[in-house]
Amino acid sequence: EPEVTQTPSHQVTQMGQEVILRCVPISNHLYFYWYRQILGQKVEFLVSFYNNEISEKSEIFDDQFSVERPDGSNFTLKIRSTKLEDSAMYFCATNEELNTEAFFGQGTRLTVV
Amino acid sequence: AQKVTQAQTEISVVEKEDVTLDCVYETRDTTYYLFWYKQPPSGELVFLIRRNSFDEQNEISGRYSWNFQKSTSSFNFTITASQVVDSAVYFCALSDYQAGTALIFGKGTTLSVSS
Repeated sequence: EPEVTQTPSHQVTQMGQEVILRCVPISNHLYFYWYRQILGQKVEFLVSFYNNEISEKSEIFDDQFSVERPDGSNFTLKIRSTKLEDSAMYFCATNEELNTEAFFGQGTRLTVV
Repeated sequence: AQKVTQAQTEISVVEKEDVTLDCVYETRDTTYYLFWYKQPPSGELVFLIRRNSFDEQNEISGRYSWNFQKSTSSFNFTITASQVVDSAVYFCALSDYQAGTALIFGKGTTLSVSS
């Protein structure tokens, strides 16, 4: 069964450092998303990406965040200068079509120390 | 604005009991989609069901059933004869044209099933 793959599974970084989280979407999917889940809390939307550009973003997705799909396969989330409050599980999700089920990756647990 | 409310933070049941997880949503759109996801202790998010706003038929899949009622803006989830493997956090989510393609999640209900 096709799946969304995220790497790394766990990343520890020092405050102020840049991190890049990677996602390989399901091959025929066109819509890509990043969500985050702070420990014990709900899943929050960060950004959606379609046709090589951001289609929507939440207020969480400020200038410290960026996304790109540099090589047509990986979909990345970059956090430019990490803060302690960026510690969370980050999920990549992909859809084949609008409003269909989103397939989630296993998540990357980011710990900022 | 869109909102999903899961008022039950935690539910504990004993195996074989039936349990219903509540979900109430708010949206101004007439076209919207509702979802349930399961998050087991391992942390991944597992899709369970998707419903569009024009389809109010209840759905049953094995021990799982869903009751969608537009009149009360609710999309409740029932597990019949619960099992220990059902222990997880269950999230209800909404997608509408205001949210675009994004999923708006509720805070989740933690279900603990003991043997």
